[in-house]
Amino acid sequence: DVKVTQSSRYLVKRTGEKVFLECVQDMDHENMFWYRQDPGLGLRLIYFSYDVKMKEKGDIPEGYSVSREKKERFSLILESASTNQTSMYLCASSWTGGGQPQHFGDGTRLSIL
Amino acid sequence: GENVEQHPSTLSVQEGDSAVIKCTYSDSASNYFPWYKQELGKRPQLIIDIRSNVGEKKDQRIAVTLNKTAKHFSLHITETQPEDSAVYFCAGDNAGNMLTFGGGTRLMVKP
Repeated sequence: DVKVTQSSRYLVKRTGEKVFLECVQDMDHENMFWYRQDPGLGLRLIYFSYDVKMKEKGDIPEGYSVSREKKERFSLILESASTNQTSMYLCASSWTGGGQPQHFGDGTRLSIL
Repeated sequence: GENVEQHPSTLSVQEGDSAVIKCTYSDSASNYFPWYKQELGKRPQLIIDIRSNVGEKKDQRIAVTLNKTAKHFSLHITETQPEDSAVYFCAGDNAGNMLTFGGGTRLMVKP
């Protein structure tokens, strides 16, 4: 069974802090994703990585960056956290190629005060 | 890019009734359409998916239908049970590796 593990379930940070959200998958998937989930807006893609050190911007990359130094680990970075980044953040992974399901972690509920 | 719209945003049914959730998509090149169920406080989990070479797929009480010409697909849950209560998301693939998600439907099954 695929396991996608996010480092924190709940996180509280202050405005202006640099915030790191970590995600690890154990299936050797090529693709990893970071989404933001807000009520009524579904899942919006922040960044996508299809290989180590490779990344592509999603629909809402502003204010975020990512790092993928190892295949199993994908980090989301909030360079200078702001209150409008308070949200649920979901990590996912999948095999490469068309028509592959994505497997999600449990999510990190991030509050920026 | 792909745009996926999902309706209704909330759906309330009596236990034992059927529930139908509909999604439309914009990109005619999309070929893969998964459905996810997210229970309160839990991760989205894949419950069923369909590919463009198939018009319908069933798995026990759930089924998905796809109309490529009209660019819409639907999730059907029969004989609903309280444990079906959750948020359901549809999605369509784009650029091969990415999925675009609908806004979600909160399904409430009343005992």
